[in-house]
Amino acid sequence: AQKITQTQPGMFVQEKEAVTLDCTYDTSDPSYGLFWYKQPSSGEMIFLIYQGSYDQQNATEGRYSLNFQKARKSANLVISASQLGDSAMYFCAMREGRWDMRFGAGTRLTVKP
Amino acid sequence: DVKVTQSSRYLVKRTGEKVFLECVQDMDHENMFWYRQDPGLGLRLIYFSYDVKMKEKGDIPEGYSVSREKKERFSLILESASTNQTSMYLCASSHQGAPSYEQYFGPGTRLTVT
Repeated sequence: AQKITQTQPGMFVQEKEAVTLDCTYDTSDPSYGLFWYKQPSSGEMIFLIYQGSYDQQNATEGRYSLNFQKARKSANLVISASQLGDSAMYFCAMREGRWDMRFGAGTRLTVKP
Repeated sequence: DVKVTQSSRYLVKRTGEKVFLECVQDMDHENMFWYRQDPGLGLRLIYFSYDVKMKEKGDIPEGYSVSREKKERFSLILESASTNQTSMYLCASSHQGAPSYEQYFGPGTRLTVT
């Protein structure tokens, strides 16, 4: 069964607007971590943001925030004030245990000028 | 800054060849990982290692082996390359003591098997 689901293969957003990338996950482990990575066309995976399952507050890193809804098992990424350089593939991932990391299929975000 | 480097960005090999992909990290991380990335499938774990000479199979180990003789280096070996192993290969490392166990990735190797 899929552990991480990203239902949006592609998304478009106008420059300077906010965009939400969806991610749902499936686990019975009470302790887990959720991550978002960005992969530009150069290929390197860039870590954006992390949310621990016991964290009470939603994680934020600059223009990135993670909308963590534990009961719904969702961990959506919100990018505020989109920039042209935000155009990339975005991957949601979940870590169970110390090294078991599972990735979603990714969402390709295109920022329009 | 964490640095994870991979020996080649692009590689073209023939069917049946033995292929070595090298990964080196400079942050003294205990954990190292090999993934392959295919469109629509995300990243899938091939093997990982949590210590020197230790290795564990991931989700898709068939046709691959690994070697970790030194802490900073983790090699992926395709014993006899096949066309269905054409893919992007990503290496990553993480620190066991970090609360998030965040993984740091290398730039990737795009392997084509003809």
